[in-house]
Amino acid sequence: DIQLTQSPSFLSASVGDRVTITCRASQGISSYLAWYQQKPGKAPKLLIYDASTLQSGVPSRFSGSGSGTEFTLTISSLQPEDFATYYCQQLNSYPQTFGQGTKVEV
Amino acid sequence: EVQLLESGGGLVQPGGSLRLSCAASGFSFNNFAMTWVRQAPGTGLEWVSTITGSSGGTYYADSVKGRFTISRDNSKNTLYLQMNSLRAEDTAVYYCASRRGDYWGQGTLVTVSS
Repeated sequence: DIQLTQSPSFLSASVGDRVTITCRASQGISSYLAWYQQKPGKAPKLLIYDASTLQSGVPSRFSGSGSGTEFTLTISSLQPEDFATYYCQQLNSYPQTFGQGTKVEV
Repeated sequence: EVQLLESGGGLVQPGGSLRLSCAASGFSFNNFAMTWVRQAPGTGLEWVSTITGSSGGTYYADSVKGRFTISRDNSKNTLYLQMNSLRAEDTAVYYCASRRGDYWGQGTLVTVSS
């Protein structure tokens, strides 16, 4: 099984900050990686798919990059509504594992 | 408007069974592979199972293999998850979603407890 390791697990930030979250895969997954945002009590929301493609309707301050085993999610200027938990997921092979999550808090 | 509406969750005793349903609307359901994802209280997301659009392929997490069965009825635009031999560690909110993750339901809570 492919393991995904996110770092950091917790991130303290302020409005306007540039935020970067890393997701490392235990083996190569090409670009088959998605990023999600989840707020308490809500379903996850797709932000990025295929490692770098912005999902329709997602603000352009979100961006994704990487391929193979190392990936990043960047929020260029953190907004109040961006405080949430972020997950990566690999869709290269089954089981389609998630990272453990990164909580972005004040 | 795309909608995924889960139902069937609830309280069940260890060893019991439940069947979750997910009613889809607003998109070509039969063309989409569908997935169940769960989230135990206070923890992260766990992929559970995926079924292809034609039901030709099903995939399971090791933690549920042999106990859970995913299926779909494309004539009813509905996805199912039959859960047998339930354990306390199966307690979670269960979400149905498109395989690619662009569509999600609101989740249904399954509690396994005596």
